[in-house]
Amino acid sequence: ELKVEQNPLFLSMQEGKNYTIYCNYSTTSDRLYWYRQDPGKSLESLFVLLSNGAVKQEGRLMASLDTKARLSTLHITAAVHDLSATYFCAVDDDDKIIFGKGTRLHILP
Amino acid sequence: NAGVTQTPKFRILKIGQSMTLQCAQDMNHNYMYWYRQDPGMGLKLIYYSVGAGITDKGEVPNGYNVSRSTTEDFPLRLELAAPSQTSVYFCASKTGFYTQYFGPGTRLTVL
Repeated sequence: ELKVEQNPLFLSMQEGKNYTIYCNYSTTSDRLYWYRQDPGKSLESLFVLLSNGAVKQEGRLMASLDTKARLSTLHITAAVHDLSATYFCAVDDDDKIIFGKGTRLHILP
Repeated sequence: NAGVTQTPKFRILKIGQSMTLQCAQDMNHNYMYWYRQDPGMGLKLIYYSVGAGITDKGEVPNGYNVSRSTTEDFPLRLELAAPSQTSVYFCASKTGFYTQYFGPGTRLTVL
């Protein structure tokens, strides 16, 4: 059974700092997704990573995938308050897409 | 395109009642998913479908049923509602290896 683990689950950080969220998973999948969720809202797609070594960047966020280590990272550069949200990774295991528990990110001004 | 639509937005059920949560998409996506999200938690996969006429269980299928008679619609049926089914339910769809598109969610309370 596929397990998807994110850490940390909670993160409070200062504006301007850098940080990384980690997503470990237990199968050999090479398809991984990152989403953002604001309180009381639905999920918004951030990145789709489809192969080993894939790297995607959008603004202050960068995601990467290492299928050999079964690890994806979401790196935040020079955080701003608007990035406060919950971030989820999700792994595609033969069309069954399983989510991690999410990382609640709070960025202090 | 309306994308993924869900009805109703909110619902309160009494224990033992049944209901159907509706989900429709107008993007001709072959994959559709139902998730539940308990307060402060991640999403748990209930059922998914890879095409019309094909459904499969996810992580937490007990107490739920689905059908997929058309590409567009993927209703989720709750039989004999229990307080443990109080949650926010999200429907999603996708095509190929692309991202999932999520609906706005249905907030369900079972009292």
